[in-house]
Amino acid sequence: SQTIHQWPATLVQPVGSPLSLECTVEGTSNPNLYWYRQAAGRGLQLLFYSVGIGQISSEVPQNLSASRPQDRQFILSSKKLLLSDSGFYLCAFIKGDTGELFFGEGSRLTVL
Amino acid sequence: AQSVTQLDSQVPVFEEAPVELRCNYSSSVSVYLFWYVQYPNQGLQLLLKYLSGSTLVKGINGFEAEFNKSQTSFHLRKPSVHISDTAEYFCAAAYNDMRFGAGTRLTVKP
Repeated sequence: SQTIHQWPATLVQPVGSPLSLECTVEGTSNPNLYWYRQAAGRGLQLLFYSVGIGQISSEVPQNLSASRPQDRQFILSSKKLLLSDSGFYLCAFIKGDTGELFFGEGSRLTVL
Repeated sequence: AQSVTQLDSQVPVFEEAPVELRCNYSSSVSVYLFWYVQYPNQGLQLLLKYLSGSTLVKGINGFEAEFNKSQTSFHLRKPSVHISDTAEYFCAAAYNDMRFGAGTRLTVKP
């Protein structure tokens, strides 16, 4: 079966520190992968998506970056975190050919 | 640009009452529509989806939604809610990518 894992589940980081959130998918090959951010009381904002290894598209200019070093691995990074980077980060992949997204459990980032 | 609009940011309702969460989407020749539910500190879970065919779609936990092409709506309904239905609900539409509404917080009171 297809599964998706994110870690860490929670993270508290000081302003200016680096960030690395990891996401891995099992049970599927060459998935389309997505990173979303959900700020408090707001909807989901698409940050990055990837259709293959090394292929990253950015939706919103920011100090975050994404990489896809392996087919089923998607990493969200930052060199220097800002207070505004706080939020709930969700990784997802397309399940089937209907555009249905399957989400990981999320990573809650608090920048102090 | 394609977009999804959820008309209510918060919906309070008493237990066992009916509820409707409203969603409108940008018109498109072909669009797949979804409702997701998010419980606190968790990822999103698919409630139901409309791909084609019958305009009334039934999902998990007793929820259903009706696709209305003329009104470009996909409202979510449940005839009798439970305390456990308290959560954030997201409407989404798959165009070239997935577009989400801002979410509706459903609070079920005893």
